[in-house]
Amino acid sequence: AQSVTQLDSHVSVSEGTPVLLRCNYSSSYSPSLFWYVQHPNKGLQLLLKYTSAATLVKGINGFEAEFKKSETSFHLTKPSAHMSDAAEYFCVVTGKGNAGGTSYGKLTFGQGTILTVHP
Amino acid sequence: GAVVSQHPSRVICKSGTSVKIECRSLDFQATTMFWYRQFPKQSLMLMATSNEGSKATYEQGVEKDKFLINHASLTLSTLTVTSAHPEDSSFYICSASYSSNQPQHFGDGTRLSIL
Repeated sequence: AQSVTQLDSHVSVSEGTPVLLRCNYSSSYSPSLFWYVQHPNKGLQLLLKYTSAATLVKGINGFEAEFKKSETSFHLTKPSAHMSDAAEYFCVVTGKGNAGGTSYGKLTFGQGTILTVHP
Repeated sequence: GAVVSQHPSRVICKSGTSVKIECRSLDFQATTMFWYRQFPKQSLMLMATSNEGSKATYEQGVEKDKFLINHASLTLSTLTVTSAHPEDSSFYICSASYSSNQPQHFGDGTRLSIL
C-alpha cells in the first residue's frame, strides 16, 4: 500500500521569496516519487522525479526536492518564486499497482497544493 | 520531450449521449496508457490502466461497461463514456508511458459536461 499527504492545501508567497511545498509519503516498496504541476484546465507537467539515485533532485524551472527516507518526506522547494509558478502542485508516489499484475507504475496522488504568488 | 495529445479538450452534450475521448502519444510508443478522472478541487483518481493489445484493467468501483477503453495501437487509446449522465461530468485526463519504469506524460485533459 502507498499513500501521499501534502501538508498544505494552499501556499501563498510573494514574488522573489522562497517556495516550500511539503509532502510526506508512505510505501511498502522502495518508492519512486514525483512532483507534477497543473495549470488551470490543463494536464500535468512533470517537474522532477526521484528514483533511488541522488536524494537531492533538480527539476525544471528552478525547482528541486530532497528525498529524506528517515522523515518519509519529499518536499519541493524553489529559491525565488515567479508569478508564472502560480498553479497546483501534486506530489506523487508510484509502486506496484493493485489492479492485477500488469499495473506496475500506478501513481498515487497527493491532494494537491495550490500555490499563489503575489506581486 | 514526450508529448501526449488529448482530444477533444471540451465536450458539452445531452444526457444519454456516448462520448469518445482520444489520447495519442505523438513522439513515442506508449506501451501503457492511463485514464484519470478529476473532480473540481480534487486530486486525480485513476480509473483504468490500458496496455496495448489487451483488455484494460479497471480500478475498484469503476464501471467497465460505462467507461469503455480501447488501446488498439501503441500510440492511441480511447475512452468512451457510454450513455453519459450529469454525474459523469468531470475532467478526464490521460497519460502515457513507454515503460513501466518511466514517468507518465499527461495530456491536457478533456472537460466533459453533460446537460
